[in-house]
Amino acid sequence: AQSVTQLDSQVPVFEEAPVELRCNYSSSVSVYLFWYVQYPNQGLQLLLKYLSGSTLVKGINGFEAEFNKSQTSFHLRKPSVHISDTAEYFCAVNTGNTPLVFGKGTRLSVIA
Amino acid sequence: DTAVSQTPKYLVTQMGNDKSIKCEQNLGHDTMYWYKQDSKKFLKIMFSYNNKELIINETVPNRFSPKSPDKAHLNLHINSLELGDSAVYFCASSQFEVGYTFGSGTRLTVV
Repeated sequence: AQSVTQLDSQVPVFEEAPVELRCNYSSSVSVYLFWYVQYPNQGLQLLLKYLSGSTLVKGINGFEAEFNKSQTSFHLRKPSVHISDTAEYFCAVNTGNTPLVFGKGTRLSVIA
Repeated sequence: DTAVSQTPKYLVTQMGNDKSIKCEQNLGHDTMYWYKQDSKKFLKIMFSYNNKELIINETVPNRFSPKSPDKAHLNLHINSLELGDSAVYFCASSQFEVGYTFGSGTRLTVV
């Protein structure tokens, strides 16, 4: 079975500062990795995904993530955040024939 | 044109009632899911259907019964609602289980 650990439950950051949201996973087989964003009172929107190939994945809204197999990590980064990035961010993993398993989420709060 | 649509968006009901949540996807995906998001935002799979067939049924009380009349629809019926059922329920769909598209959620409040 797969599992996901998001190391920070809350991350406050000033506007225009860089941010990194950390995600580690556990699996005995190869995985697919995802980051989703949930704005207040809304559903989940896919930010980016890693399926195979280049370990640096670029997503929407200026986010990117790097897959590191040796460290079993998939950290999300943005070089300069905006107020509108304030949301809950979820890392998730599956193997292609198992359901998506989510981490507990990281609340990103951007401070003006 | 919404890809995965759920109705209703909000549902407030009394303990002991029976209620249903409907989900429809127009993406042509083969697999549909129900997830529950608790008050701490934790998302947990409840059910998964592939082409109308139940393939995953996690440890969920049997008061919860999913029904898939066709591969574009997956409904969730809940009997004898309890306070602990209060949560946000998300429907999702995928093709080859890679990259899910989620609905906007149904916030269920049991009073």
